[in-house]
Amino acid sequence: SQTIHQWPATLVQPVGSPLSLECTVEGTSNPNLYWYRQAAGRGLQLLFYSVGIGQISSEVPQNLSASRPQDRQFILSSKKLLLSDSGFYLCAWSSGGGTSFCFGPGTRLTVT
Amino acid sequence: GENVEQHPSTLSVQEGDSAVIKCTYSDSASNYFPWYKQELGKRPQLIIDIRSNVGEKKDQRIAVTLNKTAKHFSLHITETQPEDSAVYFCAAQYNNNDMRFGAGTRLTVKP
Repeated sequence: SQTIHQWPATLVQPVGSPLSLECTVEGTSNPNLYWYRQAAGRGLQLLFYSVGIGQISSEVPQNLSASRPQDRQFILSSKKLLLSDSGFYLCAWSSGGGTSFCFGPGTRLTVT
Repeated sequence: GENVEQHPSTLSVQEGDSAVIKCTYSDSASNYFPWYKQELGKRPQLIIDIRSNVGEKKDQRIAVTLNKTAKHFSLHITETQPEDSAVYFCAAQYNNNDMRFGAGTRLTVKP
């Protein structure tokens, strides 16, 4: 069965510091991968999605970037964090074409 | 791209009553409509889904209906229990890859 991992689980970073969040999927090949952000008490904002290695679609212009260096690895980065970057970051995967869509356990980021 | 609207944003019901959450989507090409339940501090979990070739699907106390013509879909929870209290999200998958979510409904079931 498929499993999705995210790390770290929690992170506290100062404003202006860099960020790297990692997501990996096991038990499947060529998954569609997604990054969502959820501000406290709010909905799910799609940040990036990828249908293959090196293929990244960006939804919201901001100080974040994503990369997919391997088939089952998706990385979210920032060079300089803002206070507004605080939130719950969720990675998700699907096989595409109208199939189940599953979230990872999430990373709770607090920018101070 | 797809735009999903969800109503109401909050819903409070008495235990045993039914709860209905409604969503609309904008892109007629969307073909997959899942519903997720998110408990406090946890990831959203899939509870039921429906594809565009089906009008209704039921799983015990939970049912989902889809009206493709009107671009509406709804979640129905019958005989609600306190453990149903959570935030519920609808979603629509566009172009086989792009998944967009509604803003969420905070459901409170009062014992």
